[in-house]
Amino acid sequence: SQKIEQNSEALNIQEGKTATLTCNYTNYSPAYLQWYRQDPGRGPVFLLLIRENEKEKRKERLKVTFDTTLKQSLFHITASQPADSATYLCALTGSSNTGKLIFGQGTTLQVKP
Amino acid sequence: DAEITQSPRHKITETGRQVTLACHQTWNHNNMFWYRQDLGHGLRLIHYSYGVQDTNKGEVSDGYSVSRSNTEDLPLTLESAASSQTSVYFCASAPGTSVHEQYFGPGTRLTVT
Repeated sequence: SQKIEQNSEALNIQEGKTATLTCNYTNYSPAYLQWYRQDPGRGPVFLLLIRENEKEKRKERLKVTFDTTLKQSLFHITASQPADSATYLCALTGSSNTGKLIFGQGTTLQVKP
Repeated sequence: DAEITQSPRHKITETGRQVTLACHQTWNHNNMFWYRQDLGHGLRLIHYSYGVQDTNKGEVSDGYSVSRSNTEDLPLTLESAASSQTSVYFCASAPGTSVHEQYFGPGTRLTVT
């Protein structure tokens, strides 16, 4: 069955460092991969989308890579700030443009001042 | 400003009762989705709609139904609530031009006793 794995252990880093979160998937060939941010008690917020034919996407301090051979995406936050503390969700969709997202369980990031 | 709202935000109900969760968006998006979020499972798709009078089953649709009579609303009904349906429910919408970029509501926490 399709499986998406994100590190269930919280990631703790110091302010100013680069945070790197990992999303691995199996038994799936996604055409699109997205990253969402979720704060406690709130709904997810869309951050970035990357297509299967793109290797890297950037938006301000955020960078996403997508390696379809390794079946892995890396999500980087550079110059991290305490306000970046949240849970980050990886989501995949197939080649058909259905919007049917399959989500990972998320990784919690804690940035310490 | 355009937004997506859910009501109620919290609900406690008894096993066997019918429950309806409301979702209303003012983005004028054609695409709307219902997810549930549980510890250990992440977000899972329940039902979705691509427009008025269109509804489709998602990954975990058993025991749930939706109807789409206008663009703005997609109510989710639990026909006969079960304890296994205790969860946090999120509604989302997306434009037709970017169905993967979904805007989520604040969620409804439902407890079935």
